[in-house]
Amino acid sequence: SQKIEQNSEALNIQEGKTATLTCNYTNYSPAYLQWYRQDPGRGPVFLLLIRENEKEKRKERLKVTFDTTLKQSLFHITASQPADSATYLCARGTGGYQKVTFGTGTKLQVIP
Amino acid sequence: EAGVTQFPSHSVIEKGQTVTLRCDPISGHDNLYWYRRVMGKEIKFLLHFVKESKQDESGMPNNRFLAERTGGTYSTLKVQPAELEDSGVYFCASSQGSWTDTQYFGPGTRLTVL
Repeated sequence: SQKIEQNSEALNIQEGKTATLTCNYTNYSPAYLQWYRQDPGRGPVFLLLIRENEKEKRKERLKVTFDTTLKQSLFHITASQPADSATYLCARGTGGYQKVTFGTGTKLQVIP
Repeated sequence: EAGVTQFPSHSVIEKGQTVTLRCDPISGHDNLYWYRRVMGKEIKFLLHFVKESKQDESGMPNNRFLAERTGGTYSTLKVQPAELEDSGVYFCASSQGSWTDTQYFGPGTRLTVL
């Protein structure tokens, strides 16, 4: 079965630094990977999608990479702020329909 | 524009009872999904509706779970009879069309089975 692994349960960084979160997948490359943000008591909020033929995608302070050789995606938040503190979820999707498989998430804490 | 709404936000029931969760997707979204997160685990797919039809129900745990989507609008997820292991947060999501369309999640229903 296809799995998504987010190895770090928690990550603490200083405000202003770049946060880097890792997502590894098993078996064949997914058609795309997605990153979501989840705050306590709320549902996941979509942030970025990157397709397997894309190396990098950016959106404001966010950057996602997709390395099919390493079977890995990295999610970067530059100039991090305390408001970025949340749990970030990686998810893989397959083409054809939209069933996604989520990782367990990484809880990011940005310390002022 | 209203987002995905779910009702109730929290439900506490005893083992053996029945619970019905409701999801109202964003208006005009044909795709509706149910997911579940049990404590300490990842969010897992339960099923996917396209309008009123079940596209994929491969994630439904067993026949105690019944999902419906009447008229292709709101959806209900009934658990009957509930077991302790059904406790968790049930999320609903909706999306408009193509396979890479963004899924918009509701706030979830926290189900506690005692």
